[in-house]
Amino acid sequence: KNEVEQSPQNLTAQEGEFITINCSYSVGISALHWLQQHPGGGIVSLFMLSSGKKKHGRLIATINIQEKHSSLHITASHPRDSAVYICAVYTGTASKLTFGTGTRLQVTL
Amino acid sequence: NAGVMQNPRHLVRRRGQEARLRCSPMKGHSHVYWYRQLPEEGLKFMVYLQKENIIDESGMPKERFSAEFPKEGPSILRIQQVVRGDSAAYFCASSPSTGEQYFGPGTRLTVT
Repeated sequence: KNEVEQSPQNLTAQEGEFITINCSYSVGISALHWLQQHPGGGIVSLFMLSSGKKKHGRLIATINIQEKHSSLHITASHPRDSAVYICAVYTGTASKLTFGTGTRLQVTL
Repeated sequence: NAGVMQNPRHLVRRRGQEARLRCSPMKGHSHVYWYRQLPEEGLKFMVYLQKENIIDESGMPKERFSAEFPKEGPSILRIQQVVRGDSAAYFCASSPSTGEQYFGPGTRLTVT
């Protein structure tokens, strides 16, 4: 079993829909990243959070440390949001990241 | 402030050749991390370096792979005698300390 699990693995949505991607982890963490990767592209950090909630534009990330769960929400989705979204965690005092396998999102017109 | 730079962006090597991948961290960042993304797989940690020191190399294959981050110049990930299974995207990230990491655009290595 992976230390970081994401669901769903694949997600298709129509433009304008509200999207939720979930991340569960089984280890103690100090912080969690949500990352975005376009096909053949680089990796962009969307959020780093260790508690509560963060919002940036149409993106919202929440984390519940007790339940070892985080969610990424996209409001009013748009085709340009189509990408792979990756959850990654910092474990303990280590600086290395452990990654989920990603959620592939496709937003259609 | 330029982001994390990686070069080359694409690298083709024949089996048995050496591959050198470079990573220049963001200005002011002294911590560098290398990650590998095999085709259709998730990202995996390889190595964590600070200037002139390897801090954690627990994700590095035991043979043929090495990494350095000299006092001056970029961090280098070196793969000797490449094999087809080394074909992957290699990402570098940097941070100012043990905080948020910023990723480079990656180097896509193809071994023919």
